[in-house]
Amino acid sequence: GQQVQQSPASLVLQEGENAELQCNFSTSLNSMQWFYQRPEGSLVSLFYNPSGTKQSGRLTSTTVIKERRSSLHISSSQITDSGTYLCAMERNNNNRIFFGDGTQLVVKP
Amino acid sequence: EAAVTQSPRNKVAVTGGKVTLSCNQTNNHNNMYWYRQDTGHGLRLIHYSYGAGSTEKGDIPDGYKASRPSQENFSLILELATPSQTSVYFCASGWDWGDAEQFFGPGTRLTVL
Repeated sequence: GQQVQQSPASLVLQEGENAELQCNFSTSLNSMQWFYQRPEGSLVSLFYNPSGTKQSGRLTSTTVIKERRSSLHISSSQITDSGTYLCAMERNNNNRIFFGDGTQLVVKP
Repeated sequence: EAAVTQSPRNKVAVTGGKVTLSCNQTNNHNNMYWYRQDTGHGLRLIHYSYGAGSTEKGDIPDGYKASRPSQENFSLILELATPSQTSVYFCASGWDWGDAEQFFGPGTRLTVL
């Protein structure tokens, strides 16, 4: 079964609106990360080991490892935020890495 | 800025043929990873390495081999390619996965006919 569940699967926003993306993990984990995949396919790291709350510009990650969940808040969305947001975990018992299927975000003008 | 390059960027192979995907990183990272991504899904870990000479199986290693001959290079080998291995393959490098940023290559689009 899916180790990492992301919701929503897709989201359409008007520019300026906020978004909240969710990530839930079905097993205990050592750590997790958030990634952004641009529409053309390239991948960049957003947050790594984000225990508690971390902020970078308009992005805020809130993670509670013990409760196996993380959220990514995007404030004042911009057209350039469009793309896919992926979360991933490092499983506790064997250090394997698992990704969710992502949230596909479209920001319209 | 860490640089991870992959070659080739696109590859068309025939069923039963051998395919080698190459990855090079210039930041001296210990850890390197090979993932595949199928349309509409996240990445799945195939093989990874903790340093030169080491390879470890990821979640979906069947049908793939890996080779880490040096700190900089990590290859993924498909000895007998099958159409089910048609996918986009990403290489990544970094320090400890849990505590450090990961850097990805641009991806290789592989089609097996």
